Amino acid sequence: GAVVSQHPSRVICKSGTSVKIECRSLDFQATTMFWYRQFPKQSLMLMATSNEGSKATYEQGVEKDKFLINHASLTLSTLTVTSAHPEDSSFYICSAYGLPSSYNSPLHFGNGTRLTVT
Amino acid sequence: DQQVKQNSPSLSVQEGRISILNCDYTNSMFDYFLWYKKYPAEGPTFLISISSIKDKNEDGRFTVFLNKSAKHLSLHIVPSQPGDSAVYFCAASGNYGQNFVFGPGTRLSVLP
Repeated sequence: GAVVSQHPSRVICKSGTSVKIECRSLDFQATTMFWYRQFPKQSLMLMATSNEGSKATYEQGVEKDKFLINHASLTLSTLTVTSAHPEDSSFYICSAYGLPSSYNSPLHFGNGTRLTVT
Repeated sequence: DQQVKQNSPSLSVQEGRISILNCDYTNSMFDYFLWYKKYPAEGPTFLISISSIKDKNEDGRFTVFLNKSAKHLSLHIVPSQPGDSAVYFCAASGNYGQNFVFGPGTRLSVLP
C-alpha cells in the first residue's frame, strides 16, 4: 500500500528552540498534505492543509507563525514548530492525499512524531 | 460542535465475538466515510471505507454499515481477535478525500 514516511518519530527539545518534522510520500504524488495534532486520549485535530506550491490553510485557532508549513514538492511537506514551549508537546501526525487507482484509501498517514519540549 | 461523534470511549469484547463500533454524524453533506485503527505512538491505519451510495461494505472480518437517514455508521469486526485491540476512529468527508473530520475514537479491547 501507499507509504508515508514521517521523521523524526520522537524528538525532545529545549524551550525556545525550533523543531522541523518531515512528511514524505514515498510511492505516490501527494497533491495535498494534512497536519494533525493529537492530545492524550483525544481525537486527531486538523491543524492545517497544504497544497504543493501554495500557502497552507490553517484551521481556526492554529497560529501560522508558530507552526510553519512548507509543501515544496509533491512528495515532501514539512512542519516547523518555532520557539517551542512545553505546551507544544504533543503527537503530530501528517497525512497525504493522492489518487493512485491501486489504493483503497485516499488518505495515508505517517507514523507520527512525539514532540516533548522541556 | 462535534460533527462526528463516537459516543463510546471504550469497548471490551471477548475474543471470537463480534465487536460493534458506532459513529454518528451531524453534517448531511458528508458523503464519504472511513474507519481507521490506531495503535499507541503510531499513525492511523486505514481499515475500510464507504460512500453514501452504498449502505454496506465488507472486507474480510470488517463490515461497515451506513444508515444515511439516521446519520449513523457502524463497524463490525467478526470474529474479534486480541490484535484488534486499538483505538478506532471514524472519519467523514463532504468531498472525496478532502478535509476529513475525525471522531474522538473508541478504544477496543479484545480479551483472550
